[in-house]
Amino acid sequence: DAKTTQPTSMDCAEGRAANLPCNHSTISGNEYVYWYRQIHSQGPQYIIHGLKNNETNEMASLIITEDRKSSTLILPHATLRDTAVYYCIVRNYNNNDMRFGAGTRLTVKP
Amino acid sequence: EAGVAQSPRYKIIEKRQSVAFWCNPISGHATLYWYQQILGQGPKLLIQFQNNGVVDDSQLPKDRFSAERLKGVDSTLKIQPAKLEDSAVYLCASSLGWLVGRADTQYFGPGTRLTVL
Repeated sequence: DAKTTQPTSMDCAEGRAANLPCNHSTISGNEYVYWYRQIHSQGPQYIIHGLKNNETNEMASLIITEDRKSSTLILPHATLRDTAVYYCIVRNYNNNDMRFGAGTRLTVKP
Repeated sequence: EAGVAQSPRYKIIEKRQSVAFWCNPISGHATLYWYQQILGQGPKLLIQFQNNGVVDDSQLPKDRFSAERLKGVDSTLKIQPAKLEDSAVYLCASSLGWLVGRADTQYFGPGTRLTVL
């Protein structure tokens, strides 16, 4: 079973920041937080990952709380093309099996 | 850089028929994965290869599913015979493989959508 809890769905206005939360209260010290998204009829797309520090790349920012029990994926300026299912996954270097949950369906509206 | 390639993109077969899917991973990626994604669910790992060896096939229904990666590059996944419940998207992913101090990121192909009638 997935080790994460995410809201089923969220809406966001185009041009605004989209903040997607994820709870992973049982995360252990050697587990990373990964985010992927899946646009309709495509394979999952890697977005970002982190261990304990906040991370930023060209797609998004990942904010991990100090106790590592939750995180937030931030899309700074959401566009219509960001409409997708977003998956938050925890995994460690001993386990390549990524346990996908149901994810959050983000809808960006004009 | 080319991504993970899969073919065919779509396949429709009748139950009890056989089907095969092909995957070409990103160049240089040692690890290859096959996932099954049923409509409305997240992907589920079926099998993982490290080069041409199987690392994990614990969730592969071995009575009807088989997979190989003979030369450590391309891979095929076969279903024989297919059942109605095998209707799903079959995703292939690849990664460099874990190294100490570096997380291993999987990159996915577009998938093959299988419909079993």
